[in-house]
Amino acid sequence: SAVISQKPSRDICQRGTSLTIQCQVDSQVTMMFWYRQQPGQSLTLIATANQGSEATYESGFVIDKFPISRPNLTFSTLTVSNMSPEDSSIYLCSVGDGELFFGEGSRLTVL
Amino acid sequence: EDQVTQSPEALRLQEGESSSLNCSYTVSGLRGLFWYRQDPGKGPEFLFTLYSAGEEKEKERLKATLTKKESFLHITAPKPEDSATYLCAVQRGTGNQFYFGTGTSLTVIP
Repeated sequence: SAVISQKPSRDICQRGTSLTIQCQVDSQVTMMFWYRQQPGQSLTLIATANQGSEATYESGFVIDKFPISRPNLTFSTLTVSNMSPEDSSIYLCSVGDGELFFGEGSRLTVL
Repeated sequence: EDQVTQSPEALRLQEGESSSLNCSYTVSGLRGLFWYRQDPGKGPEFLFTLYSAGEEKEKERLKATLTKKESFLHITAPKPEDSATYLCAVQRGTGNQFYFGTGTSLTVIP
């Protein structure tokens, strides 16, 4: 298993602003995954972040809206840009090959 | 189309009242089926992986089973601390994509 730390745990943001979520893992991993969990909905994969290459985005998610950095094998950031109330959600960082292990999540509320 | 459906959406049990949660799935080539527990304000916590029909896994009061079309999470003599949302996910045989269900919210009443 892996220990995954996410910051911030929660935040309230104004419409039109951007917020960066940080994810730190206690061991080196090849791939890191960013998920979104909206109320009453299933976890949805936003993108896969590999160190040293561009992130791979899933259908419906674009780099301009959700830029991702992966500077080394233990750290990644996800930015939610130009936020609207529809971006209010829990954002989760995860790692794993087979079983996924998740951070505690970052709960964003956009006013 | 790959998808996962969990039922019921919510379940209330008296302490000690055993029951089962269902996860029905369709996926192109199942690589694994996963059960997670999620407490409010926390990320999902891994419970079990099942790989093939007929497989069973147990942990304390929980037992997970798998057929070719569905998985069950059996909860025997539940306690209030078992209250949580239980998520099911499948991974297809190619690639790393996981498909999650919307979960079953379990409440165990003392």
